[in-house]
Amino acid sequence: QAGLTQPPSVSKGLRQIATLTCTGNNFHVDNQGVSWLQQRQGHPPKLLSYRNNNRPSGISERFSASRSGDTASLTITGLQPEDEADYYCTTWDNSLRGWVFGGGTKLTVL
Amino acid sequence: QVQLQQWGGGVLKPSETLSLTCAVYGGSFSGYYWSWLRQPPGKGLEWIGESNVSGTTNYNPSLKSRVAISVDTSKNQFSLKLSSMTAADTAVYYCARGMASYGRRVGLDNWGQGTPVTVSS
Repeated sequence: QAGLTQPPSVSKGLRQIATLTCTGNNFHVDNQGVSWLQQRQGHPPKLLSYRNNNRPSGISERFSASRSGDTASLTITGLQPEDEADYYCTTWDNSLRGWVFGGGTKLTVL
Repeated sequence: QVQLQQWGGGVLKPSETLSLTCAVYGGSFSGYYWSWLRQPPGKGLEWIGESNVSGTTNYNPSLKSRVAISVDTSKNQFSLKLSSMTAADTAVYYCARGMASYGRRVGLDNWGQGTPVTVSS
């Protein structure tokens, strides 16, 4: 069963680069791919990237995702105040037959 | 432009059954997996379960005994019933569309607006 671990918080300055990580214990086995969600306060989550590094239409190129072994990463360049949000990684767990989520990272833009 | 609009819920008493419905506008209903998720106050996301348009379901094992998800293809709607509610089920509940590629789930790309549900005596 996949378990996803995210750091609880990350703080970066305006226009800097933030890299959020998500460590899984089963990525390499199931190879289901990782997706990333952004959730601003009081809003539903929004899909930023799926299947490791594909962006849905309308998502800024400032958001890019990657994966290496058991660690998936979301990199946000040129940080803006509106990037301040909670970010969740998620993957489909084949053994569980369901979606599993990381605990989320709260990104603060200073 | 796909939109998911959900309704139902509100304030429930312990032991009651939660009923939520999500309508899908502006896109295909088939070819996707339709999920329910929830988020307790101040906490992260928890997946409840999903159904495809044929009615094949998958449920979170921790909730399986209390959950039923159904679809109505004539209305492009899907619904959640969660029985024996307790205070621990207090959360914002979301519906979402799951994308699949070659049989693999790849992401939850469209979400409803969320419905707060409170369980209190």
